[in-house]
Order: sequence, then C-alpha cells, then structure tokens
Amino acid sequence: EPEVTQTPSHQVTQMGQEVILRCVPISNHLYFYWYRQILGQKVEFLVSFYNNEISEKSEIFDDQFSVERPDGSNFTLKIRSTKLEDSAMYFCASSELAVTYEQYFGPGTRLTVT
Amino acid sequence: AQSVTQLGSHVSVSEGALVLLRCNYSSSVPPYLFWYVQYPNQGLQLLLKYTTGATLVKGINGFEAEFKKSETSFHLTKPSAHMSDAAEYFCAVSDNTGTYKYIFGTGTRLKVLA
Repeated sequence: EPEVTQTPSHQVTQMGQEVILRCVPISNHLYFYWYRQILGQKVEFLVSFYNNEISEKSEIFDDQFSVERPDGSNFTLKIRSTKLEDSAMYFCASSELAVTYEQYFGPGTRLTVT
Repeated sequence: AQSVTQLGSHVSVSEGALVLLRCNYSSSVPPYLFWYVQYPNQGLQLLLKYTTGATLVKGINGFEAEFKKSETSFHLTKPSAHMSDAAEYFCAVSDNTGTYKYIFGTGTRLKVLA
C-alpha cells in the first residue's frame, strides 16, 4: 500500500541553524500539507501546497518557514533559523484531491532544537 | 472558525469493555469529520470519516462513529476493547471551504487494562 514517508525520523539541531525536513508524498497525490505537534499539545496546521505554490498558511508559518517541491517526488519544509520553540513533531500529509478530503500522513520527524 | 473538542485526554477501559471517545466540533458549514489513530512512534492512520450520507460510519478495527448534527458530535465507539487498541486518538474537522486543511482536537490517549 502506498504511504507517505518522511526523513529524518529525528533531527537534533542547535538554535539558529537551518533545518530541512523531507517528505515523499504518495505519487498520484496533488495536495500536500505540513502539520506540527508540540509535545503534549494538539496537531496544528502549518501550510498547504498545491500546483507548486502555497495555497494556505497559518499564523505559525512565518518568514522563517518555507516549503518547496524541488522535484516530482519530494516535498520539503525548511526552517531558516531554528528557535527553541520550533521543537516539535512535524507531520507531512498528502491528498489525492481535495474533494476526497482524506489526508494520508507520514510517520513524522521529531525536531529537537537545543 | 472551526474547532474540535475532545473530552478526556486519557481514557482507561478494561479489555472487552465498550470504548467511547468523545468529540464535539464547531463549524459554520457542513463539516467533514475524521478520526485518526496514532500508535507509538508511528504516523496518523485514518480510522474513519464522515463527509456526506449515512451518519453512522464504520471504520477499521471495529470502530464506528455517529455524526449527530443536533449535538455537534462525532463520538467514536467500539463495542469491545482489545489490548491492541491502546493508542492516541485524534478527532479532526476539515476546512471544507478552502484548502481542506484539518483542525485537530487535542487527542485522547486510550489505555486498555487486562
């Protein structure tokens, strides 16, 4: 069964460093999303991406964040200068079409900023 | 704005007992509702969804949920708990007027006692 994959599973970085989280969505999916979950808190929407551009972003997704689909398979989330409060689990999700409503989630990347 | 409330961050049931996980939503438009399960160190797996049609929906692993518009609820049930059901469960509502992003509840951790 096709699945969304994410790498790395765990990333430790120092405050101020740049990190790139990688995701490979399901191949025929057209909508892509990033969510994050700070430990003990709810899963929060960060950004959605369709047709090679951001379709919506949350208040959390400030200028420190960017997304890219550099090729036909990868979908990346970059944090330019990490802060302690960026420590969280980051989930990538993809959807075949918005009208099916169902999103498929990857296993997540745990980001720890020290 | 849409929101989801999950009552009970932790629920314990005995093996073989009824599982009831509560979810209430707020939405100004007809909601699309989802339940996801997260096992330790794994991603979010779809249990079931309600979009339109029959209000009682059946999902995987014997779970079901009923959409009750008058109560703005979408509670998850399973007649007989199994040890393997121990996990975290998330209710989500889809933003069906834009990019179909999910708004998640805070999650309920289910513990099954032998």
